[in-house]
Amino acid sequence: EAGVTQSPTHLIKTRGQQATLRCSPISGHTSVYWYQQALGLGLQFLLWYDEGEERNRGNFPPRFSGRQFPNYSSELNVNALELEDSALYLCASSHPWESSYNEQFFGPGTRLTVL
Amino acid sequence: ELKVEQNPLFLSMQEGKNYTIYCNYSTTSDRLYWYRQDPGKSLESLFVLLSNGAVKQEGRLMASLDTKARLSTLHITAAVHDLSATYFCAVDMSGSDGLTFGKGTHLIIQP
Repeated sequence: EAGVTQSPTHLIKTRGQQATLRCSPISGHTSVYWYQQALGLGLQFLLWYDEGEERNRGNFPPRFSGRQFPNYSSELNVNALELEDSALYLCASSHPWESSYNEQFFGPGTRLTVL
Repeated sequence: ELKVEQNPLFLSMQEGKNYTIYCNYSTTSDRLYWYRQDPGKSLESLFVLLSNGAVKQEGRLMASLDTKARLSTLHITAAVHDLSATYFCAVDMSGSDGLTFGKGTHLIIQP
């Protein structure tokens, strides 16, 4: 069974530009989560999508947005990039109704560098 | 606001020794997860703990959960170099929300 995949692996942008990151969940999983892992800040929850809808977001400004497509893949968009957006962005997927808990499986991540 | 605290944040130990990583969280939850992260890599799921008193073991790692004390432990027995990694605990508040992570414990096991 294929795991969570993310693209690109690395992304280099300059301040003020926009970045688009992509995630494909494990087959059959309907929920996609995005996390930011920035140096010194740890792993922080960004966004949760399920069945095409944004269900919850963490404490991030509106320039972090995304969407989930009918095939459950997801995009994370970061507008007006700032230097502190440089981080590893991890995507995770789960099947909320498959079990009594919400185990999330993580992809390899996209390393975003803002210059 | 849910807070998750791990300690220690950094641990250097000798092969063959035992040690415990602690994870405290601030509000009631009955779902706790342990993940491992190797440098530059993603998170690998180690354990899912779902109820008070839950104990799970895999190889040299054993995790437990005390929901009344809001405490989980990850115990390493007779450490080997391959266990060197960063270990995160994470708590799930409502079952389908984002996870709240501890800052991670950077574990180095020296021969």
